[in-house]
Amino acid sequence: ETGVTQTPRHLVMGMTNKKSLKCEQHLGHNAMYWYKQSAKKPLELMFVYNFKEQTENNSVPSRFSPECPNSSHLFLHLHTLQPEDSALYLCASSQAGLTPLLELFFGEGSRLTVL
Amino acid sequence: GDSVTQMEGPVTLSEEAFLTINCTYTATGYPSLFWYVQYPGEGLQLLLKATKADDKGSNKGFEATYRKETTSFHLEKGSVQVSDSAVYFCALYNTDKLIFGTGTRLQVFP
Repeated sequence: ETGVTQTPRHLVMGMTNKKSLKCEQHLGHNAMYWYKQSAKKPLELMFVYNFKEQTENNSVPSRFSPECPNSSHLFLHLHTLQPEDSALYLCASSQAGLTPLLELFFGEGSRLTVL
Repeated sequence: GDSVTQMEGPVTLSEEAFLTINCTYTATGYPSLFWYVQYPGEGLQLLLKATKADDKGSNKGFEATYRKETTSFHLEKGSVQVSDSAVYFCALYNTDKLIFGTGTRLQVFP
């Protein structure tokens, strides 16, 4: 199995729908991240979890709700999204704690389209 | 706040051409610097890194030197291949934050 797996790879939803993105890592890491990748914008950090505890919420709107039930799984629950939320959502994992030698391992991403 | 600025793409090259992708940064203190690469349909993966001034990171024929005097970390490769076509992200780590640039798309044609 690949190190970091994201499902679904593609998701189309209406503004009133509720859906979830799932991420699973098989690398034994204790930190997990959600990033948003939009065209011509820097990669945006959304949430960070260390040992299942949320340690970063980068001013993300409440229509995005993360969940980390254990160190291997991370979810992003979506509800009442806006068209501008359409983007590629990337999950990543690393050893717990940010260090100067930090290396993040990314999944392939979930391409979200909000109609 | 800290930030990373990359040249806009796409960068279009013929195979075996020389590659430079510019990256400059703004940061207080002494950040670590990284290049990540995203191949089509894949997630980002670490390409190379440098943790202090004058360090040179290298991997797969790519190199970048941490230049504190010019606050730059330009990515270079002497002879690109079609398989190098990807999006390249410059990033810095400083004060517990990892900050990415916008990414630069490289297209290499045979």
